[in-house]
Amino acid sequence: KAGVTQTPRYLIKTRGQQVTLSCSPISGHRSVSWYQQTPGQGLQFLFEYFSETQRNKGNFPGRFSGRQFSNSRSEMNVSTLELGDSALYLCASSLGQGVSYEQYFGPGTRLTVT
Amino acid sequence: GQQVMQIPQYQHVQEGEDFTTYCNSSTTLSNIQWYKQRPGGHPVFLIQLVKSGEVKKQKRLTFQFGEAKKNSSLHITATQTTDVGTYFCAGVNNDMRFGAGTRLTVKP
Repeated sequence: KAGVTQTPRYLIKTRGQQVTLSCSPISGHRSVSWYQQTPGQGLQFLFEYFSETQRNKGNFPGRFSGRQFSNSRSEMNVSTLELGDSALYLCASSLGQGVSYEQYFGPGTRLTVT
Repeated sequence: GQQVMQIPQYQHVQEGEDFTTYCNSSTTLSNIQWYKQRPGGHPVFLIQLVKSGEVKKQKRLTFQFGEAKKNSSLHITATQTTDVGTYFCAGVNNDMRFGAGTRLTVKP
């Protein structure tokens, strides 16, 4: 099976802009979770989608949003970008709902905000 | 809220030495997962521990879950250069909280 894919792999944006990241889960996986990884804060859970519905949400501002499509593909949107949003954004898919299941991570999208 | 502390932050060992990383949660966990991230890579699932006092082994790796389901450890026996990377624990309740990770370097 193909692994989790994320596009784009690298992105440079300016403060105030918005960005949309895409994630395609492993075939058959219905849950997609998003994480932010930074040197200072480490790996932080953003949210989880299952069957097109957000099931869990981490402690991030409303500028961070996401959605999931009927084919389980997911997008994450960050509006009004701030310098502190520079990070590696990872998505992970799993077979079942909830983060209790083994998470298969994609290669990530490295976002740089200038 | 739930906090997961992981120590040490860094560990440098000579090849062949043992290595241990520890995780401690402020709350009781439903389960704990361990991941490894190689430099420049993404986290890769190693194992999940669910039961109180559970011990699981994968070749040279031994994983333990504490009796109170609040702490866990990963022990690597006789490290090899292929073990380099950052090891993360992730405590699971309603969400997943990652520890800060332990970066392991191995000198040949």
